[in-house]
Amino acid sequence: ELKVEQNPLFLSMQEGKNYTIYCNYSTTSDRLYWYRQDPGKSLESLFVLLSNGAVKQEGRLMASLDTKARLSTLHITAAVHDLSATYFCAVDSLNTGNQFYFGTGTSLTVIP
Amino acid sequence: KAGVTQTPRYLIKTRGQQVTLSCSPISGHRSVSWYQQTPGQGLQFLFEYFSETQRNKGNFPGRFSGRQFSNSRSEMNVSTLELGDSALYLCASSPAGAPGEQYFGPGTRLTVT
Repeated sequence: ELKVEQNPLFLSMQEGKNYTIYCNYSTTSDRLYWYRQDPGKSLESLFVLLSNGAVKQEGRLMASLDTKARLSTLHITAAVHDLSATYFCAVDSLNTGNQFYFGTGTSLTVIP
Repeated sequence: KAGVTQTPRYLIKTRGQQVTLSCSPISGHRSVSWYQQTPGQGLQFLFEYFSETQRNKGNFPGRFSGRQFSNSRSEMNVSTLELGDSALYLCASSPAGAPGEQYFGPGTRLTVT
């Protein structure tokens, strides 16, 4: 079974600091996704990474994908309080259709 | 364009009962997937429907079932509810021919007492 691991599970960081969340997965996949979830809310799509070496940036967040290492990173630059949320990575099963395997999530708290 | 809608948003049921949750995808989307989110197990894939056919299925017991109608609306049913079925149930819709492009609904919070 495809496994997706994220670390850290919990992250508390001060505003203005940089940090990276890691997402490792156990099987070949060229498609990786990052989502954000606020408490009590649904999942908001952040990035879709569809090939080895893909890098995408939006504001203070940058995501990258290394399919050979089966690793994706979500880098946070100069964190602000509004980034406090839980971040999930997900990998596609490569079956026909849509079947995502989600990581455990990283709960990020940005302290003013 | 309206987003994915799920009804009801909150539900309280008793052990042994059954429940039906509904999901209306974004207009034009033909794929609907269902996920269960719990603090202990995280986000787990239940099943996916495309053009009224189940296309993928996760590792859940047969008490969990679903269907999709000709207008792409989907329902999932859980029979003989257990305490462990308490969770946030999320559905996601996808356009045909766009693998991985999933848009999630607000979820249904099910509490089993």
